[in-house]
Amino acid sequence: SQKIEQNSEALNIQEGKTATLTCNYTNYSPAYLQWYRQDPGRGPVFLLLIRENEKEKRKERLKVTFDTTLKQSLFHITASQPADSATYLCALDPYNTDKLIFGTGTRLQVFP
Amino acid sequence: DTGVSQDPRHKITKRGQNVTFRCDPISEHNRLYWYRQTLGQGPEFLTYFQNEAQLEKSRLLSDRFSAERPKGSFSTLEIQRTEQGDSAMYLCASTTGGGQNNSPLHFGNGTRLTVT
Repeated sequence: SQKIEQNSEALNIQEGKTATLTCNYTNYSPAYLQWYRQDPGRGPVFLLLIRENEKEKRKERLKVTFDTTLKQSLFHITASQPADSATYLCALDPYNTDKLIFGTGTRLQVFP
Repeated sequence: DTGVSQDPRHKITKRGQNVTFRCDPISEHNRLYWYRQTLGQGPEFLTYFQNEAQLEKSRLLSDRFSAERPKGSFSTLEIQRTEQGDSAMYLCASTTGGGQNNSPLHFGNGTRLTVT
């Protein structure tokens, strides 16, 4: 069974606000963690990768943090837009064997 | 289009029938993965290949499932004697490298299987 937890409830926010999504994991010590975006009926699309020795990673309006002590990653979208509405998945390689395990995903809905 | 392509996009079959899906990865990618995704869940790992070698198969995967990558390029996933519980989106992904190189996965848009 998957031991990567993401908030299964949808996150609804107003356009322009910052969205924060959480990914928690247990029993693993991954060397890195990845975030993906998935639109309905489509495959996931890679967004960001953060390594265990990196506290924070940024890409345009996206920011990811990785706390290996808390076993948690936070994914932030600043100045959110309706086009950011999608499901966001976190994934990690629990045994460092190039086999990614995914969380259940959190659906983000940005309202104008 | 040089992305990962999957065929067919949709497949409806009756319980007990066999189905086969095809995945064409990005040409220079030597690793190919199959995942299964059901509604409201994240992708679940099924199996993966390094070139033509199948390196790992999920313990959750029934013997009715088999995958091949005969020439290290495209891959097929076959499900024999389909059951209603097999209904899901089947996703293929590819990436470069081997070992712990952290390469992100490039996914196709999946094959949606409905077993009636």
